[in-house]
Amino acid sequence: EAGVAQSPRYKIIEKRQSVAFWCNPISGHATLYWYQQILGQGPKLLIQFQNNGVVDDSQLPKDRFSAERLKGVDSTLKIQPAKLEDSAVYLCASSFKLSPGASEAFFGQGTRLTVV
Amino acid sequence: GQSLEQPSEVTAVEGAIVQINCTYQTSGFYGLSWYQQHDGGAPTFLSYNALDGLEETGRFSSFLSRSDSYGYLLLQELQMKDSASYFCAVRVRYSGAGSYQLTFGKGTKLSVIP
Repeated sequence: EAGVAQSPRYKIIEKRQSVAFWCNPISGHATLYWYQQILGQGPKLLIQFQNNGVVDDSQLPKDRFSAERLKGVDSTLKIQPAKLEDSAVYLCASSFKLSPGASEAFFGQGTRLTVV
Repeated sequence: GQSLEQPSEVTAVEGAIVQINCTYQTSGFYGLSWYQQHDGGAPTFLSYNALDGLEETGRFSSFLSRSDSYGYLLLQELQMKDSASYFCAVRVRYSGAGSYQLTFGKGTKLSVIP
């Protein structure tokens, strides 16, 4: 079974530039998450999709971050304009259906963003 | 909102047993998960407790006490490859959404020494 695919693996940009990350979840997984992980901290949920609808985006800085999940499959996370504090690893995860009796979330390798 | 507390660092000797504790405060709690993350790698699922008690998976066990809002991960027969960060995460049900949120703690960095 193919895992969660993310690209690019690494990205270096200057502050105020824009950047986009792509995620392809495991086939058949309805739930997709974007997490931000700053060095030395736990993953912080930015946005959660159920199929192509947003379930939770309460921690997404909407003045600069946006995300979409077209057709309920692939997803893109965009930052525009980037700030120095956005330097982090952006993790995409998916699950068939995150419920008490269902499977756990599977994570991609992440995109390491450095803003200089 | 949710809050989770776990020790930031733990060091243990190869072959020994180590316990990583996690306390949480949240509403809509449904269960406690544990994830392992090696440096530069992706978090990978270890275990999940929805009910009180102990769940055992090989060398790893996880415990939950819902009344105490407390859980722990127990690693036995430690190996050098167990050196990693370990995160507890709470599953919380979204009201009316039919879906669940997964919120992570800040992680415990485990160092296994010879």
